Amino acid sequence: ETGVTQTPRHLVMGMTNKKSLKCEQHLGHNAMYWYKQSAKKPLELMFVYSLEERVENNSVPSRFSPECPNSSHLFLHLHTLQPEDSALYLCASSQDREGAAYEQYFGPGTRLTVT
Amino acid sequence: GESVGLHLPTLSVQEGDNSIINCAYSNSASDYFIWYKQESGKGPQFIIDIRSNMDKRQGQRVTVLLNKTVKHLSLQIAATQPGDSAVYFCAENPSGTYKYIFGTGTRLKVLA
Repeated sequence: ETGVTQTPRHLVMGMTNKKSLKCEQHLGHNAMYWYKQSAKKPLELMFVYSLEERVENNSVPSRFSPECPNSSHLFLHLHTLQPEDSALYLCASSQDREGAAYEQYFGPGTRLTVT
Repeated sequence: GESVGLHLPTLSVQEGDNSIINCAYSNSASDYFIWYKQESGKGPQFIIDIRSNMDKRQGQRVTVLLNKTVKHLSLQIAATQPGDSAVYFCAENPSGTYKYIFGTGTRLKVLA
């Protein structure tokens, strides 16, 4: 599936590094999401952008900074991360119409390891 | 891409049998529900959805049942195949929000 792509697929970074995760959707959708999937918890919603405007910030620490320059691209900028931030970071997109939610399409994820 | 290390409930079924995966949801304001399948190394894949104005919806080999009275969702897979082996998640969406709340998932193992 190439509807939602994510790069890099794997990332190892030190706690003092700055890195960015990239997501691109080729589905013409109007909403994009960042999720965190860690070993001991269900999938956690982090951020939501609708029509390039952030509409949800789910109490995420400021060391995670999202950016949505247009409806097809979504970034997650990382700085001063902690080892407990190691997880799979998933991007998703959906086409929301008339205030109703529709199915989300996920990318393959970026496996992040913080050392 | 699966929740490695998470202690997931596991359902083991014989190839060709029917599978039923259950999910309890938490928010009575939720009016849209989705089932996802996640294979190792991949992101979650949409299977089927249902809105709260329906009790049942059928797809190809899959059926979702919704019981709003007890806040329960189930996924039925007919004639389970080895390719159905994966982790299955339910997700709920409270009305008027962008929030999708995911369950912990169930691992389905298909025995040959």
